[in-house]
Amino acid sequence: DTGVSQNPRHKITKRGQNVTFRCDPISEHNRLYWYRQTLGQGPEFLTYFQNEAQLEKSRLLSDRFSAERPKGSFSTLEIQRTEQGDSAMYLCASSPTVQETQYFGPGTRLLVL
Amino acid sequence: GQNIDQPTEMTATEGAIVQINCTYQTSGFNGLFWYQQHAGEAPTFLSYNVLDGLEEKGRFSSFLSRSKGYSYLLLKELQMKDSASYLCAPDNYGQNFVFGPGTRLSVLP
Repeated sequence: DTGVSQNPRHKITKRGQNVTFRCDPISEHNRLYWYRQTLGQGPEFLTYFQNEAQLEKSRLLSDRFSAERPKGSFSTLEIQRTEQGDSAMYLCASSPTVQETQYFGPGTRLLVL
Repeated sequence: GQNIDQPTEMTATEGAIVQINCTYQTSGFNGLFWYQQHAGEAPTFLSYNVLDGLEEKGRFSSFLSRSKGYSYLLLKELQMKDSASYLCAPDNYGQNFVFGPGTRLSVLP
């Protein structure tokens, strides 16, 4: 039984560069979520998918952020023209259906220099 | 919108009992999740309350009062490994998107 996996686990980049993260959910989980978490705070919702459809996107998410889940399995989160304020842990979670608990991946820690 | 309030930090002694409170205001509510998160790790599921009252699961219990918008997590026989952040998250009919700020619990020997 494999859990949610995320790659890379760590990413250091220079301001202005683009980065892409990948999330592989638990197989057959229909829902996939992306969160951002900074030190001392709870996870902050970014977006979620029901299969391949992106159903909601946080108003906090600028147009530099985009997420895809093309085949309803893995998902990617891209940040364009990174800024130092983007430095955070990016968490992915999946759940089988509505009203089910979310299972989190280990996260990708991003540092923008 | 949603508003969730938890104490920022708590300290307790090994073997003691600690209660972590959470108050919330949400536009829709179906139940409430509690997650545990160790430093540098992802959150892991602890409990989910739908009905009012106390649900016990080993050393951990969770309480919910829907009318008061209030929940607490009760940890008994504290162990050093319980040092972690505890996050409450109201379930807005499956849209479990908003987590509280978390309560950082330190268990001292």
